[in-house]
Amino acid sequence: DTEVTQTPKHLVMGMTNKKSLKCEQHMGHRAMYWYKQKAKKPPELMFVYSYEKLSINESVPSRFSPECPNSSLLNLHLHALQPEDSALYLCASTPVGGSYEQYFGPGTRLTVT
Amino acid sequence: AQSVAQPEDQVNVAEGNPLTVKCTYSVSGNPYLFWYVQYPNRGLQFLLKYITGDNLVKGSYGFEAEFNKSQTSFHLKKPSALVSDSALYFCAVGPLSGGYNKLIFGAGTRLAVHP
Repeated sequence: DTEVTQTPKHLVMGMTNKKSLKCEQHMGHRAMYWYKQKAKKPPELMFVYSYEKLSINESVPSRFSPECPNSSLLNLHLHALQPEDSALYLCASTPVGGSYEQYFGPGTRLTVT
Repeated sequence: AQSVAQPEDQVNVAEGNPLTVKCTYSVSGNPYLFWYVQYPNRGLQFLLKYITGDNLVKGSYGFEAEFNKSQTSFHLKKPSALVSDSALYFCAVGPLSGGYNKLIFGAGTRLAVHP
């Protein structure tokens, strides 16, 4: 299995809702990432987990809450989002001590109404 | 500070012609350089990387890139463009740190290949 999967593909939520994005990889990668991407812009790093520990939080608002329950799974919990949070949310992973490139999932298209 | 520049917002090429997508970088130390491609409403796909070794790197789908240390460039090339190569291309530099890789992306270049 050489892919990163993300669910759901699309999500529409109101500003008072609570929802979660899920990312899974079974490649044995020990670093996992969340990115936010606006249309026609490069991805912006949000969080990095290394060996299931949060290593980087790029000053992301607390309405985004990451979780790494195990080495294969990464969640992003969403609460009280704003319309400007609408974007494509990408998950990625890398092997540790390996080839350095990141493998990206297809993303979740989030719309906040 | 590390940075990556992609000086062209868009590159237009006729099918069958060679293509070049430009990237320059600024890093302290040895650079780890990557090219990714993104099709509409999809995630990023890894094309190729330079870590060390030969300056000409070959990657997926017939793409290659040339690392030029003196010009701090890592241009993406393909000898003969296909319409299906039309997509958004990102150059990235990724210093390895503490077991993970924090990528810094360029702004992206849209490649349009015309029949």
